[in-house]
Amino acid sequence: EIVLTQSPGTLSLSPGERVTLSCRASHSVSSGRLAWYQQKRGQAPRVLIYGASSRATGIPDRFSGSGSGTEFTLTISRLEPEDFAVYYCQQYGSSVSFGGGTKVEIK
Amino acid sequence: QVQLVQSGAEVKKPGASVNVSCKASRDTFTDSAISWVRQAPGQGLEWVGQIIPSFGTENYAQELQGRVTITADESTGIAFLHLSSLRPDDTAVYYCARVAGHLTWNYFDYWGQGTLVTVSS
Repeated sequence: EIVLTQSPGTLSLSPGERVTLSCRASHSVSSGRLAWYQQKRGQAPRVLIYGASSRATGIPDRFSGSGSGTEFTLTISRLEPEDFAVYYCQQYGSSVSFGGGTKVEIK
Repeated sequence: QVQLVQSGAEVKKPGASVNVSCKASRDTFTDSAISWVRQAPGQGLEWVGQIIPSFGTENYAQELQGRVTITADESTGIAFLHLSSLRPDDTAVYYCARVAGHLTWNYFDYWGQGTLVTVSS
């Protein structure tokens, strides 16, 4: 099983700031088969990025993903008020597993 | 527009079983897998298992093997999650999600609204 570790657990930021979230895998994720989701309180997750760097339909270009192997990153270039949420990474190269999440909260 | 509509909240006693349904449009089932993911209160996401309705192929999280069964009825477009021998730590919101594309393993592009299952004596 591939274990995903996200860091940090919580980020306190202000609107307009740039944010970088990390997702580290215990084993290499084949072919960059990694996705990022955003989840707001009381809602189902929503896919932002798949294939490590491809934006899902309708996702603003302030969201970008990068990485390969065991190190992946989600970057939000400029935080909007609606971006304060919890973010999860998911690998689907070997079965499926999720990271523990990073909460982005308003400072 | 793909929609996944789940059944309502359930309250069960320890040791009981629960069935949660996920109604999808017929197109959603065609050659696509349906996964189930759960989220305990205040916790992260945990993959439960999935089925490819067209082939009947099932895969389950190791921790739940033996207690979980996922089935699907292509004619009605409904997927079912059955979890037995319930424990208090099975209390969670259970989501169904469509696996994108026509692959066994892929990201989830559409999600149901979630079903709260509470296990309490």
